[in-house]
Amino acid sequence: QVQLVQSGAEVKKPGASVKVACKASGYTFTNYGIGWVRQAPGQGLESMGWISAWTGNTHYVQKFQDRVTMTTDASTNTAYMELRSLRSDDTAVYYCARLDDDDGLSWGQGTLVTVSS
Amino acid sequence: SYELTQPLSVSVALGQTAKISCGGANLGSKNVHWYQLKPGQAPILVIYGDSKRPSGIPERFSGSNSGNTATLMITTTQAGDEADYYCQVWVGGTDLVFGTGTKVLVL
Repeated sequence: QVQLVQSGAEVKKPGASVKVACKASGYTFTNYGIGWVRQAPGQGLESMGWISAWTGNTHYVQKFQDRVTMTTDASTNTAYMELRSLRSDDTAVYYCARLDDDDGLSWGQGTLVTVSS
Repeated sequence: SYELTQPLSVSVALGQTAKISCGGANLGSKNVHWYQLKPGQAPILVIYGDSKRPSGIPERFSGSNSGNTATLMITTTQAGDEADYYCQVWVGGTDLVFGTGTKVLVL
């Protein structure tokens, strides 16, 4: 079955960067894109963008365009999301998800990123 | 940008039916998926492709989509159904869009 396992919780200081990993299994990694979604405390789900695991092409939400980089490593079936210049309002649970417009998203377990001085 | 609007909350008596709406322009032409979120847990897909149930999701969950509104219905609501629910569509082949989210309260 499809499984996405994310890296562990992170605590960062304002201005730092964080890189979250998402290891996929149970399907052909390069056949699907990986999206990144976050949920800040008390807020809704917010899409950050996605990456094609086949081509490496990315589509970033404009809000994050200048601070986010999404990559994949097909040799390890792993996707990465790096967010730079962290602020306190970046504190959130970050999810990766396998993209499928027909069958819906398959989600990782989430990674809590806390930004605090 | 494309927007999906949901009611902030829906209250339902135990054992009764909850209906959660998701509104968006020409939504009936898109595939709508629904997710259940509980605190500390990953989102769970409860309906995909407007009205299909993944394996393991009870028949109490059903979905429909027509015109500008998609609806998630939970019949014989149980205490364990209390959660946040989000609709989601894929727009223009590039944009992953989520609804504003609905908190279901079981009374």
